[in-house]
Amino acid sequence: AQSVTQLDSQVPVFEEAPVELRCNYSSSVSVYLFWYVQYPNQGLQLLLKYLSGSTLVKGINGFEAEFNKSQTSFHLRKPSVHISDTAEYFCAVSLLALKAAGNKLTFGGGTRVLVKP
Amino acid sequence: ETGVTQSPTHLIKTRGQQVTLRCSSQSGHNTVSWYQQALGQGPQFIFQYYREEENGRGNFPPRFSGLQFPNYSSELNVNALELDDSALYLCASSSRQGAFYEQYFGPGTRLTVT
Repeated sequence: AQSVTQLDSQVPVFEEAPVELRCNYSSSVSVYLFWYVQYPNQGLQLLLKYLSGSTLVKGINGFEAEFNKSQTSFHLRKPSVHISDTAEYFCAVSLLALKAAGNKLTFGGGTRVLVKP
Repeated sequence: ETGVTQSPTHLIKTRGQQVTLRCSSQSGHNTVSWYQQALGQGPQFIFQYYREEENGRGNFPPRFSGLQFPNYSSELNVNALELDDSALYLCASSSRQGAFYEQYFGPGTRLTVT
């Protein structure tokens, strides 16, 4: 079975500073990788995804992530955060082998980012 | 293009009762997945429906059941509610085209069991 670990439950950061959110996964087969953002009282919005190809993936709102197969990691970064980036961020995986079953997502526990002025 | 909608937004039930949550998938999508998100945790996969049949299930007991209708909308039913069922229930729809099916999430239904 696959699992996802987000190493930081909370990350306080000052406005315009960089931020990195760490994600490690465990799986015996190849996976797709995702980062989602959840604003208060809302559903999940896809920030970016890694399916194949270049290991550096760029997403919306200036976020990017790098897939490292040897370290089984998919860390999310943003060079300069805004107050509006305050939210909860979730890393998720989906097994390639189960693509026909609709890409069931397995989520990490989430990282709460609090951007301070 | 209408996104994924869920109803109701909030719900309060008593332990032992039954509840039905509803989800309308995004236009053109034929697959619906349901997730449970307990407070302070990541979402957990409950099950998925494709063309009106269950197509994958997570580690949830049989009192969690679902339906998908010909218009691809879906219901999640939970019987004999327990306090631990209190959570945000998220619905996600997707379209089975190509090798990858991106899931689009609705705003969720917050269920409180007292």
